[in-house]
Amino acid sequence: AQSVTQPDIHITVSEGASLELRCNYSYGATPYLFWYVQSPGQGLQLLLKYFSGDTLVQGIKGFEAEFKRSQSSFNLRKPSVHWSDAAEYFCAVGYMEYGNKLVFGAGTILRVKS
Amino acid sequence: GAVVSQHPSRVICKSGTSVKIECRSLDFQATTMFWYRQFPKQSLMLMATSNEGSKATYEQGVEKDKFLINHASLTLSTLTVTSAHPEDSSFYICSAGYPTVSTDTQYFGPGTRLTVL
Repeated sequence: AQSVTQPDIHITVSEGASLELRCNYSYGATPYLFWYVQSPGQGLQLLLKYFSGDTLVQGIKGFEAEFKRSQSSFNLRKPSVHWSDAAEYFCAVGYMEYGNKLVFGAGTILRVKS
Repeated sequence: GAVVSQHPSRVICKSGTSVKIECRSLDFQATTMFWYRQFPKQSLMLMATSNEGSKATYEQGVEKDKFLINHASLTLSTLTVTSAHPEDSSFYICSAGYPTVSTDTQYFGPGTRLTVL
């Protein structure tokens, strides 16, 4: 079965430090890849997505992610974290044979310390 | 662009009553909408896929008679929780598929917090 793994449940970084959130997926072909962010009690906001082409994609709020086929990974990065980035981040993967359905990772809660 | 709204944002109801939640795509037409359920400190669980003009497709383990989904137009899908019980208390989130070249990109509503007393 298709699965998405976010190995880090919680991550704490200092404000201004760099950030990398990990995401691995299981699938043979190239899936559609997404990162969403959720603030407490809110819906999900799309940060960025990868369908094809350049494997380094830029998103909103200064985030970027890199698709590495050899590692089945789609890690999210930000060079300098702001306190407002504290939230929960979800990696999601879409698979062609399942239409537009998404499989979500368990999420990573980001805490930013000042 | 690609804004999705949900109404209500919070609802409290008595056990045995039914609750309707609306999901609207405000600035685009969505052939497909999705309904998710999220338990505290957990990820999203897909409940069903709603296609305009046809019956919803439910995920395994989701009771279709309890969670009624209607997708009457390209901008509106509704989820009705029938005969709600305390175990139905949860955060319900909808998304609408925004068509792009490769696949739809799902844009999410702000969620509805349902509490059943």
